[in-house]
Amino acid sequence: NAGVTQTPKFQVLKTGQSMTLQCAQDMNHEYMSWYRQDPGMGLRLIHYSVGAGITDQGEVPNGYNVSRSTTEDFPLRLLSAAPSQTSVYFCASSYRPGGPGNTIYFGEGSWLTVV
Amino acid sequence: AQTVTQSQPEMSVQEAETVTLSCTYDTSESNYYLFWYKQPPSRQMILVIRQEAYKQQNATENRFSVNFQKAAKSFSLKISDSQLGDTAMYFCAFMGTNAGKSTFGDGTTLTVKP
Repeated sequence: NAGVTQTPKFQVLKTGQSMTLQCAQDMNHEYMSWYRQDPGMGLRLIHYSVGAGITDQGEVPNGYNVSRSTTEDFPLRLLSAAPSQTSVYFCASSYRPGGPGNTIYFGEGSWLTVV
Repeated sequence: AQTVTQSQPEMSVQEAETVTLSCTYDTSESNYYLFWYKQPPSRQMILVIRQEAYKQQNATENRFSVNFQKAAKSFSLKISDSQLGDTAMYFCAFMGTNAGKSTFGDGTTLTVKP
């Protein structure tokens, strides 16, 4: 059971370039999210999804797009990279709340540097 | 919107001693989950302990336990017999009815000293 898989783990981009961070989960989770973590800070929500075909904005959505065509995959697209987007990005997933044992499952993180 | 506050940016403790990390939250929901996650320098997010709000009994996991005060909206983490490997950043997290919008505190950096 792979859990939540993020790729790439490390990436260096030039200002203005675009790229996609991939996220896949094999636990049939309905909920998926993207967070960014800046140095010494907590996690801030970028975008999230409550199921295939349904996405919504989080706290810091500007400069990012998402889509959820399948339950398993939730890619994050940087449209035109800026130095302010240098951060560690986490993909997370979870079951529908309501049952015991629900947990936020995280990928290992993607370290992005924009120069 | 939910908020999670960790008022201690940094803490330190001697090896083998006990330390308590504080977390308060604000929500209008009645059913939710609270978590403590550990983040070592590798940045991996590791679940330490989970509490369901409908359970009055405080959760425990080996050396880790919580003091969950629902009325006060407080969720502190107690680490007993601290070990050098406990050195990490610890995040308090809230999951409500929309699990996609979980909220995290700013973290507490814990250093265990030999």
